[in-house]
Amino acid sequence: EVQLVQSGGEVRKSGESLKISCKGSGYTFTNYWIGWVRQMPGKGLEWMGTIYPGDSDTTYSPSFQGQVTISADKSVSTAYLQWNSLKASDTAVYYCARRATSYEYFDQWGQGTLVTVSS
Amino acid sequence: DIQMTQSPSTLSASVGDRVTITCRASQTISSWLAWYQQKPGKAPKLLIYKSSSLESGVPSRFSGSGSGTEFTLTIISLQPDDIATYFCQQYSSRPLTFGGGTKVEIK
Repeated sequence: EVQLVQSGGEVRKSGESLKISCKGSGYTFTNYWIGWVRQMPGKGLEWMGTIYPGDSDTTYSPSFQGQVTISADKSVSTAYLQWNSLKASDTAVYYCARRATSYEYFDQWGQGTLVTVSS
Repeated sequence: DIQMTQSPSTLSASVGDRVTITCRASQTISSWLAWYQQKPGKAPKLLIYKSSSLESGVPSRFSGSGSGTEFTLTIISLQPDDIATYFCQQYSSRPLTFGGGTKVEIK
């Protein structure tokens, strides 16, 4: 069974750093792109960027370029989303999702990680 | 960026009703459109890809259609388990963009 299991919820203060994770199992992790999607409270879905764990090739949405860092460690089948300096506006649920083989829709999703940033 | 506009934003229907949700793209995206279902507190789930292809395991009461700039998701006979918010997503070009969502409620 394909699974993406994300790390637990986090509470941080503005200016702090954070790295959340997404561990894939049940498939060959290095063969599929992993995307990150933000959902702010009560709002819609926003694509942040996508990484290919096989070679760490990464593409960012212009809205998130420079604001976050996406990385992957294929040795542990895990993708990461990182902030160097959190803002209150980063408060959201963050989902990782597996991209379909040849097209950029997402066929499997993690359960989501709630990040709460207080000012 | 390609803007995706969904309508209505909220929909109230009875069990057994036929429900239609519309998604419009600000420019042509051919058939590169996916639909997702998101239940409260849960992750989105893929329903439809390439405008009309049903994802494995998704009930056949869900169907998608359209190409170019106008697309629809139809639930042939609404069931209580279909209460959720539905999102469209274009994957014609980056940045990938989603519609604002349609919340489906039971009347």
